[in-house]
Amino acid sequence: GAVVSQHPSRVICKSGTSVKIECRSLDFQATTMFWYRQFPKQSLMLMATSNEGSKATYEQGVEKDKFLINHASLTLSTLTVTSAHPEDSSFYICSASPDRVYGYTFGSGTRLTVV
Amino acid sequence: GDSVTQMEGPVTLSEEAFLTINCTYTATGYPSLFWYVQYPGEGLQLLLKATKADDKGSNKGFEATYRKETTSFHLEKGSVQVSDSAVYFCALVPRLTGNQFYFGTGTSLTVIP
Repeated sequence: GAVVSQHPSRVICKSGTSVKIECRSLDFQATTMFWYRQFPKQSLMLMATSNEGSKATYEQGVEKDKFLINHASLTLSTLTVTSAHPEDSSFYICSASPDRVYGYTFGSGTRLTVV
Repeated sequence: GDSVTQMEGPVTLSEEAFLTINCTYTATGYPSLFWYVQYPGEGLQLLLKATKADDKGSNKGFEATYRKETTSFHLEKGSVQVSDSAVYFCALVPRLTGNQFYFGTGTSLTVIP
């Protein structure tokens, strides 16, 4: 149980285009989901907290107009990288939890390459 | 602020060798500590965790002990297998927030036959 599915696993896009990444909780409802980003040889860093039915909470230094987060249902959060640039190339991963006792499950991640 | 420092890789070991991956942390209070593993092409999987000082987390032959005095949570395995080849992440969750993870940089392990 507690499976989080993330799609796509890899995407290559041209500079200036937008890319949408989906994070789904398959067998539980998640009012909160988290988006992380990892640059090469660096830690996974929390980007934002996605809240179902309300605005996402962004970490300091993360541009909310560039990284649009939509959490329209209890099982789906999307991260859209708008007007992507090569410096946005990174590994993006989401997580969610059915409850505090179970803990957090992570998606398989999305490798974004902007050319 | 809260942070995790993890030994850099990559680490290459022969099968049946002893594994240690060092992890130290900085946090206010007493965080929960985790080791996650990422196999090629897959997401992060929880390997083990400890929620208070002196707790030992264990799973699949891996162990880590929550050491408050040294602020460490080193991962060990007595005899690694080829199937253990993966990237290992040390992480903490602060006691107060309860949900935000702080990760180390990850350590890539390759086990050769």
